[in-house]
Amino acid sequence: AQSVAQPEDQVNVAEGNPLTVKCTYSVSGNPYLFWYVQYPNRGLQFLLKYITGDNLVKGSYGFEAEFNKSQTSFHLKKPSALVSDSALYFCAVRDRDRNNDMRFGAGTRLTVKP
Amino acid sequence: GAGVSQSPRYKVAKRGQDVALRCDPISGHVSLFWYQQALGQGPEFLTYFQNEAQLDKSGLPSDRFFAERPEGSVSTLKIQRTQQEDSAVYLCASSLGGFRANYGYTFGSGTRLTVV
Repeated sequence: AQSVAQPEDQVNVAEGNPLTVKCTYSVSGNPYLFWYVQYPNRGLQFLLKYITGDNLVKGSYGFEAEFNKSQTSFHLKKPSALVSDSALYFCAVRDRDRNNDMRFGAGTRLTVKP
Repeated sequence: GAGVSQSPRYKVAKRGQDVALRCDPISGHVSLFWYQQALGQGPEFLTYFQNEAQLDKSGLPSDRFFAERPEGSVSTLKIQRTQQEDSAVYLCASSLGGFRANYGYTFGSGTRLTVV
């Protein structure tokens, strides 16, 4: 079965600095990988996904993520953080060869300080 | 509709009470998923429908949990004889594609269930 690990519960960065939110995954087949963001009392909002092709994926709000097959990682990045980026971020994986349900990590709380 | 709609937004139930949570997916979306998100945790998969067929219910925590999607659109998650450990946010998501499709999910805002 597929699984996701987000090793950091909390990431703190200063506004204007680059940010990285880490994610590693485990899947028996080939992965589809996703990042979602959750604001307080809101549902999950899609940021970006890796399906195939270019390992660097660009998504909403200036975020990007790099798929690294050898390290089984899919870290989320942004060159310059905004205070409004403060939220809960979830990495998710699906095994494209087996089933259609998505498995999520436990989440990383990003706090961007002015 | 424009998005996935869930109702009620909040539900407080007394221990032992039955509850029903509703999900209206995006029109035309084939796949529908239910997730349970406990406080401070990531969403945990409960069950998956492709149209009216429940293809995977491996995540349902006990036989008190039951989900249906009889006409392949609206879905209801029912929890019988609620217990305090059922307190969580229940998220519904829908997706345009079926099995093995690479579409992302659109999530509803969730139903926050509190069992007292």
